[in-house]
Amino acid sequence: KAGVTQTPRYLIKTRGQQVTLSCSPISGHRSVSWYQQTPGQGLQFLFEYFSETQRNKGNFPGRFSGRQFSNSRSEMNVSTLELGDSALYLCASIRDREAFFGQGTRLTVV
Amino acid sequence: AQSVSQHNHHVILSEAASLELGCNYSYGGTVNLFWYVQYPGQHLQLLLKYFSGDPLVKGIKGFEAEFIKSKFSFNLRKPSVQWSDTAEYFCAVTSFSGGYNKLIFGAGTRLAVHP
Repeated sequence: KAGVTQTPRYLIKTRGQQVTLSCSPISGHRSVSWYQQTPGQGLQFLFEYFSETQRNKGNFPGRFSGRQFSNSRSEMNVSTLELGDSALYLCASIRDREAFFGQGTRLTVV
Repeated sequence: AQSVSQHNHHVILSEAASLELGCNYSYGGTVNLFWYVQYPGQHLQLLLKYFSGDPLVKGIKGFEAEFIKSKFSFNLRKPSVQWSDTAEYFCAVTSFSGGYNKLIFGAGTRLAVHP
């Protein structure tokens, strides 16, 4: 059974650019959530999608957005990148209240 | 707002020593509790979870945790650690009001086990 797949694994972007990260959940899982992991703030919830609808949102600025497609794959987008957006972005595929995490996308903003 | 507090940020142990990592949460309602582990260079993996029932839960790799509702605690234990347990450990909570799919994580505890 394939796990959660996140692409790309690494990204380097310049301040002011935008970025899109992708997540393919485990087959059959309809809920996907996103987290930001940084050394200073730890793991913070960004948002959750279920059946293409955003069901919950964390305390992040509007520059952070996401969506989910009919096949449950999800993308998150960060616009107007800032240096502080450098982080590991984790996607979790959820079933029965249990989250399964991907390897993450390491975003570096320079 | 809900929060999770992990008492130790860094723990250093010798192999075969016993481990206990503290976790307290701030929420008075029904909660689901989790311990995740992140080995160097690997993804977060679930060690164990508590939803209801027996407050002593057993997880993978010999780990266990005890839910004490009166103390809002969910401490992780292992009787004898191995070098391969070197990792970062995260306690997390979800709730009905916050959303059962929204994990609130503690700051993490880095465990180093010396041979």
